[in-house]
Amino acid sequence: DTGVSQDPRHKITKRGQNVTFRCDPISEHNRLYWYRQTLGQGPEFLTYFQNEAQLEKSRLLSDRFSAERPKGSFSTLEIQRTEQGDSAMYLCASRGGGGETQYFGPGTRLLVL
Amino acid sequence: KNQVEQSPQSLIILEGKNCTLQCNYTVSPFSNLRWYKQDTGRGPVSLTIMTFSENTKSNGRYTATLDADTKQSSLHITASQLSDSASYICVLHGGGSQGNLIFGKGTKLSVKP
Repeated sequence: DTGVSQDPRHKITKRGQNVTFRCDPISEHNRLYWYRQTLGQGPEFLTYFQNEAQLEKSRLLSDRFSAERPKGSFSTLEIQRTEQGDSAMYLCASRGGGGETQYFGPGTRLLVL
Repeated sequence: KNQVEQSPQSLIILEGKNCTLQCNYTVSPFSNLRWYKQDTGRGPVSLTIMTFSENTKSNGRYTATLDADTKQSSLHITASQLSDSASYICVLHGGGSQGNLIFGKGTKLSVKP
């Protein structure tokens, strides 16, 4: 257990539905990252927050994706009008101020039918 | 072309044996190279982080090496244990943006009794 938690761990939804995932980082970590990982591939960067500010967004983050970190603590990732291609593991990671190590959560596995 | 190539794709070894996983990269320059262990269905866990000026870094039975001239890194696992069964992912931080982390596809290691 790295101290980063994600909820839910698994989500099955029908195409076209909206889904929202939550990430609770290690409490003193000000940096938070979202990644997507498909089967047999390494994680791909989606977006990055420093405190409550969303500082970077990947081109992978289409208009259907939105992420927030309203109080600089937990973060949410919402996918609107889900598509089958959105099926993946969504990973959250956090990092403290001085260190380079990112601590990953267990991930949320999404299946879009 | 993937900028981080790992080999072999998968590997089966007997408990107690040593093994070496390879990572070849074309990312240049980069600020650090990381090895992560990812258990099935879980988030990655950091094993080692090396800057471009470091040649080796150990973490228990895991030893990572880096040859910046040949653009190769290796992860050596000594006296393997059943719990070492996982995917091992090589990651380069290309520097600059937080999103500039380039993940390999990983090597899937299975340790058999």
